[in-house]
Amino acid sequence: ELKVEQNPLFLSMQEGKNYTIYCNYSTTSDRLYWYRQDPGKSLESLFVLLSNGAVKQEGRLMASLDTKARLSTLHITAAVHDLSATYFCAVVNFGNEKLTFGTGTRLTIIP
Amino acid sequence: EPEVTQTPSHQVTQMGQEVILRCVPISNHLYFYWYRQILGQKVEFLVSFYNNEISEKSEIFDDQFSVERPDGSNFTLKIRSTKLEDSAMYFCASSGTEVYEQYFGPGTRLTVT
Repeated sequence: ELKVEQNPLFLSMQEGKNYTIYCNYSTTSDRLYWYRQDPGKSLESLFVLLSNGAVKQEGRLMASLDTKARLSTLHITAAVHDLSATYFCAVVNFGNEKLTFGTGTRLTIIP
Repeated sequence: EPEVTQTPSHQVTQMGQEVILRCVPISNHLYFYWYRQILGQKVEFLVSFYNNEISEKSEIFDDQFSVERPDGSNFTLKIRSTKLEDSAMYFCASSGTEVYEQYFGPGTRLTVT
């Protein structure tokens, strides 16, 4: 059974600082997704990572995928308050399209 | 930009009642999904649907749950006899022929009292 773990679960950081969220998964997969969720809202797609070594950047967020280590990272550069949200990674099982989500990282940016 | 829509946004029901949650996927998409999120927890897969049949379902999706695509646009999730533990946010998602990305609807908050 595919398991997806994120750490940290909670992250409180000051504006302007850099930090990284980690996503580990237990079985082979070739696709990994990062989503953002604001309180009471739906899931907003941030990145789709399709292959080993994939790196994508959008604004202050950068995601990477290492399929051999079964690890993805979401790096936040010079955090600003409006990045406060919960971030989920999700992995697709081979042979189907079911998304298995991580536990989520609740990020709070402090002015 | 096309988007997935869901109705109602919030449904309150009594334990034992039937509820139907409705979704309109993006019009040219072929794959449809339901997920749920209990308050404060992670998102959990319920069921996927393709070519008018269930392609996969989770352990959560027991005999109390069913899905249907009654016409060319709607995709519904029915819970026959709701339990307190069914209280959650239910998200519908759809993906196109390249299935690389699932687009999520705004969710229906189901409260069972």
